[in-house]
Amino acid sequence: DVKVTQSSRYLVKRTGEKVFLECVQDMDHENMFWYRQDPGLGLRLIYFSYDVKMKEKGDIPEGYSVSREKKERFSLILESASTNQTSMYLCASSLSRVGTEAFFGQGTRLTVV
Amino acid sequence: GENVEQHPSTLSVQEGDSAVIKCTYSDSASNYFPWYKQELGKGPQLIIDIRSNVGEKKDQRIAVTLNKTAKHFSLHITETQPEDSAVYFCAASIFRGSTLGRLYFGRGTQLTVWP
Repeated sequence: DVKVTQSSRYLVKRTGEKVFLECVQDMDHENMFWYRQDPGLGLRLIYFSYDVKMKEKGDIPEGYSVSREKKERFSLILESASTNQTSMYLCASSLSRVGTEAFFGQGTRLTVV
Repeated sequence: GENVEQHPSTLSVQEGDSAVIKCTYSDSASNYFPWYKQELGKGPQLIIDIRSNVGEKKDQRIAVTLNKTAKHFSLHITETQPEDSAVYFCAASIFRGSTLGRLYFGRGTQLTVWP
């Protein structure tokens, strides 16, 4: 089975801190994605990557950056955390660019205080 | 980009009844339409998907229908059970340019099945 693992289930950080959310997939997938999930807003795409060192902005990239140095790992970085970034963050991966199933991690609940 | 609308946002049904969730999309280039189920405390998981060259697909108690002309697709769950209670998301994927592989999600439907 494909496994997408996020490094933390819960995180509490202070305003202004630099925050790293890590995601690892074990099935050699090309694509990786970071979403945030907020009640009533569904899943909103922050950034995605089609290949190592490649990244594309999603719908809400402001305040975030990403890093993909290895194919299996995709990191989301909050350069200076703010309270409005308190949310559930979901990482996903998919095999190829032509409409294939996305596999999600279990999510990281981030609280910025 | 693509815009996916999902209705209703909440749905309550009695155990054994059917549940229907509807989605519309805006871009006629979309060609892949998955449905995800998210249980409490977990990430979304694919339950069924359909491609634009197919009008209907069934897997046991769940089915998805696609109307390309009207740009809408629906999830049908028959003989609902309490374990079907979850948030359901529809999504669409566009086969074009740099957006290849990206999913556009609806806002989700909270389904509650009462015993």
